[in-house]
Amino acid sequence: GNSVTQMEGPVTLSEEAFLTINCTYTATGYPSLFWYVQYPGEGLQLLLKATKADDKGSNKGFEATYRKETTSFHLEKGSVQVSDSAVYFCALSESNAGGTSYGKLTFGQGTILTVHP
Amino acid sequence: KAGVTQTPRYLIKTRGQQVTLSCSPISGHRSVSWYQQTPGQGLQFLFEYFSETQRNKGNFPGRFSGRQFSNSRSEMNVSTLELGDSALYLCASSFFGGLETQYFGPGTRLLVL
Repeated sequence: GNSVTQMEGPVTLSEEAFLTINCTYTATGYPSLFWYVQYPGEGLQLLLKATKADDKGSNKGFEATYRKETTSFHLEKGSVQVSDSAVYFCALSESNAGGTSYGKLTFGQGTILTVHP
Repeated sequence: KAGVTQTPRYLIKTRGQQVTLSCSPISGHRSVSWYQQTPGQGLQFLFEYFSETQRNKGNFPGRFSGRQFSNSRSEMNVSTLELGDSALYLCASSFFGGLETQYFGPGTRLLVL
């Protein structure tokens, strides 16, 4: 079945450091790919998404490119801030032959990011 | 536009009891999905409803059930609670439950004693 493998955490960085969180996936069909972020005590917020190969999603300085050839969707940010400390989830929305997904997201295990001043 | 709301936010129950959680989607969204989040298993898909019909179901026992009303609000029920049901239960809504973005509520944290 479909699956998402995410870089194990936790990740600890100093402010203004470069961030990469790796994400690879296995899927049949043509999934859309997402990065969600979860702050303590809250639900998930969409960070960015990409719907087809070579698409680049970006938001708040974060970027990720949908690489079909390597089945990857790595998250990057050039200069992290303390406020970026959170848990990051890579996810895919799978589609069947008819192009529908019926509301199921498959998530990676999550990566805890801590940024120190 | 108001976001996804979930009630209650916190619940404490004992083993053997049952519980009902509620989710109100974003206005205009007709698809509601439910997920269970635990430290050990991560985020797992429970089921999805669209226009009052369950269209998709994850790998959970029959103790977990749900329904959706004509106004798209959804409820999730867990019967005969077990300690392992302690989790954060998240619902998410989207227009059609296809490949588009799902928007999540803050979750209901359930503790089973």
